[in-house]
Amino acid sequence: GNSVTQMEGPVTLSEEAFLTINCTYTATGYPSLFWYVQYPGEGLQLLLKATKADDKGSNKGFEATYRKETTSFHLEKGSVQVSDSAVYFCALSDGVNAGNMLTFGGGTRLMVKP
Amino acid sequence: EAQVTQNPRYLITVTGKKLTVTCSQNMNHEYMSWYRQDPGLGLRQIYYSMNVEVTDKGDVPEGYKVSRKEKRNFPLILESPSPNQTSLYFCASSLSGQLSGANVLTFGAGSRLTVL
Repeated sequence: GNSVTQMEGPVTLSEEAFLTINCTYTATGYPSLFWYVQYPGEGLQLLLKATKADDKGSNKGFEATYRKETTSFHLEKGSVQVSDSAVYFCALSDGVNAGNMLTFGGGTRLMVKP
Repeated sequence: EAQVTQNPRYLITVTGKKLTVTCSQNMNHEYMSWYRQDPGLGLRQIYYSMNVEVTDKGDVPEGYKVSRKEKRNFPLILESPSPNQTSLYFCASSLSGQLSGANVLTFGAGSRLTVL
């Protein structure tokens, strides 16, 4: 079956530091890949996505590139802010399994200190 | 405002006392789904509904029931809650049950349930 593995947190960084959160996946076929963000007390919001190999998703200064050869979709940001403190989830959709749309990783908590 | 609304947001209950978590969306979405979020496990799907009167099990359906009598509502029912159902629950909806470029899941704010 499908699975998503993320680095365990928490990840603690100082403001303006470089961020990488690793994500690797196992899936049949050609999945679409997603990063969701969950701010404290809120539901998940779609941060970015990529639907095919070598696509780069980007939003709010965050980027992730769909690497089929390494089955990875690592999240990066060049300079984090305190407001980026949240839990980040990597997810995939194989586009085949209608209904069970997304397989999520375990989430990575990011804490950014001023 | 387009949104998914869950109630209650917080609930403490005791083992065996039936409870319902309501979910409502105002976007005329066909697809709705319930997830539970547990530390280190991410979100796991409990049940989903492709449309009115059409529901199906997700990955962890044991101990839960759902119904979809109207398009906008998708309540989650715990007939006899147990402590292992203590979790953070999310309802989500989308236009259809197939993810595509424009079709994304919209999540509610979550319902934190504690079963003593």
